[in-house]
Amino acid sequence: RKEVEQDPGPFNVPEGATVAFNCTYSNSASQSFFWYRQDCRKEPKLLMSVYSSGNEDGRFTAQLNRASQYISLLIRDSKLSDSATYLCVVAPVSSGSARQLTFGSGTQLTVLP
Amino acid sequence: EAGVAQSPRYKIIEKRQSVAFWCNPISGHATLYWYQQILGQGPKLLIQFQNNGVVDDSQLPKDRFSAERLKGVDSTLKIQPAKLEDSAVYLCASSPGPGTGGLWGYTFGSGTRLTVV
Repeated sequence: RKEVEQDPGPFNVPEGATVAFNCTYSNSASQSFFWYRQDCRKEPKLLMSVYSSGNEDGRFTAQLNRASQYISLLIRDSKLSDSATYLCVVAPVSSGSARQLTFGSGTQLTVLP
Repeated sequence: EAGVAQSPRYKIIEKRQSVAFWCNPISGHATLYWYQQILGQGPKLLIQFQNNGVVDDSQLPKDRFSAERLKGVDSTLKIQPAKLEDSAVYLCASSPGPGTGGLWGYTFGSGTRLTVV
């Protein structure tokens, strides 16, 4: 079983739609959670951290359910520029040494005009 | 602030040849990572350095891959001999190091795309 599992998609949605991505992780010791965005042939870039209480950044909302080991990302009012691959990322507690990130395989999103 | 620099951007080699990638992290970043990203997958950590010491190389195929970070700044990743399945993007990342919260400053380079034929 993979440490971090995501639905690979692709998700093709019209502009203005709401789309949700899900992710599950297997290591219950994971303590930090993130969503990264990766454009085609580019490096991954941090989209947002995911907090236990849930958090929002503009049109993006992230949720974490530790009991179910489940993470989600909701994108409202999709824009063409949201087209990318969204990577779910988990990390252990940083005990002094810096973060080792475990990535899911990513979910591909295409927003259509 | 300059980002993480990697070279070359692209490399095509034949199987059984050797290849080396170079990474220059953000100035002052103590921690440096090499990731391998195979097409259709997320990046996978190969090795992590803290200054010039190895923190974790448990996922590095040591029979053919090697990496070093002499003087705790630049790093090179080498593959010798290369196999077809090594075709991937090799990403270098750096971060400020111990004691930093969240992912502040954790930055990826643009990667080296390796094709083994």
